[in-house]
Amino acid sequence: EDKVVQSPLSLVVHEGDTVTLNCSYEVTNFRSLLWYKQEKKAPTFLFMLTSSGIEKKSGRLSSILDKKELFSILNITATQTGDSAVYLCAARGEGSNYKLTFGKGTLLTVNP
Amino acid sequence: NAGVTQTPKFQVLKTGQSMTLQCAQDMNHEYMSWYRQDPGMGLRLIHYSVGAGITDQGEVPNGYNVSRSTTEDFPLRLLSAAPSQTSVYFCASSPAGGPYNEQFFGPGTRLTVL
Repeated sequence: EDKVVQSPLSLVVHEGDTVTLNCSYEVTNFRSLLWYKQEKKAPTFLFMLTSSGIEKKSGRLSSILDKKELFSILNITATQTGDSAVYLCAARGEGSNYKLTFGKGTLLTVNP
Repeated sequence: NAGVTQTPKFQVLKTGQSMTLQCAQDMNHEYMSWYRQDPGMGLRLIHYSVGAGITDQGEVPNGYNVSRSTTEDFPLRLLSAAPSQTSVYFCASSPAGGPYNEQFFGPGTRLTVL
């Protein structure tokens, strides 16, 4: 059974801190890993990773994938209160028409 | 461009009632799916469809039915609502069911079953 585990489950930081969110996965015939941000509504897409060692970057957010060790990290530098959200990681393998298996999410709270 | 739309936004049902959650997308996406999100559980796949006329079960399909008569619409039916179906339901779509497509999510329906 495909499985995605995120850590930590929750995190409280102060504005300006740098955070690292972790995602490990076990999926059959892995194809891609996706990160989403969810702020009390629908998840919004952040990154899709398919190759090891290639960093994806968008502003203060970046992410990288390690296909050998089966994990990904999402980094947020110089955090702001607007970064407060649940961050979801999802992995996709070849099974079941490439369905996404989601982790439980990391709740990030950024205090001023 | 409306993207993925869901109705209603909120719904309260009594145990045993039936209802249909509506989902529509205007992006001509082939792949559509329904998830439920419960506290501490992440998103769990209920049913999905890889195109009109084709549906399949996800990991938590019991108590739900779907159909896909058009590319645009993918309704989710609760046959006889139970308190365990209290949840937030998200519909999502992507251009195709392949391995490298992002899924776009609707705004969600918050369902309470009393």
